[in-house]
Amino acid sequence: GENVEQHPSTLSVQEGDSAVIKCTYSDSASNYFPWYKQELGKGPQLIIDIRSNVGEKKDQRIAVTLNKTAKHFSLHITETQPEDSAVYFCAASGGANSKLTFGKGITLSVRP
Amino acid sequence: DAGVIQSPRHEVTEMGQEVTLRCKPISGHNSLFWYRQTMMRGLELLIYFNNNVPIDDSGMPEDRFSAKMPNASFSTLKIQPSEPRDSAVYFCASSRTHGIYNEQFFGPGTRLTVL
Repeated sequence: GENVEQHPSTLSVQEGDSAVIKCTYSDSASNYFPWYKQELGKGPQLIIDIRSNVGEKKDQRIAVTLNKTAKHFSLHITETQPEDSAVYFCAASGGANSKLTFGKGITLSVRP
Repeated sequence: DAGVIQSPRHEVTEMGQEVTLRCKPISGHNSLFWYRQTMMRGLELLIYFNNNVPIDDSGMPEDRFSAKMPNASFSTLKIQPSEPRDSAVYFCASSRTHGIYNEQFFGPGTRLTVL
């Protein structure tokens, strides 16, 4: 089955700086890669996703890049703000069903 | 829309007791997912349903766990008997249709503590 790994487990940045979170996956058949943000006491919420036929996708301050050859994808957050502090999960999925395999999450702290 | 509704939000029980977690998916969504979140294992998919039918239950840890979806607006996850290692946050999520590109909307979770 699919195995998704995230590194590091925690990341601290100064407000205004950029943050990059990286994930690797194992199944070359995976073709959908969403990112979820989880705030304290809440369920994860989709913030951006990318399909395998695209190398990069942007939405305001966030962007995701995908390298299918190396089987890794990254979340980029520019001009970080304190409200970006949360746990971020990457996930991967492939095939004909809805099953997502999540990484263990990374805790991002943005220092004011 | 009210979003995915889960109850209870917190549950504390003693080892050996039966625990039932409840979920109401977003109206009109056809797929429903149950996840378990722990520090050690992260977010794990337990089971998911499409049109009230279980599609994949390979993540259900053992026979003590069971899930049902009697209709499109209600699902339960039952643990009987419960054990301390079942302590975790359990999330229910729903999506509009079956298929990998559909956003999953998560509920607020149920924090289960088994003493």
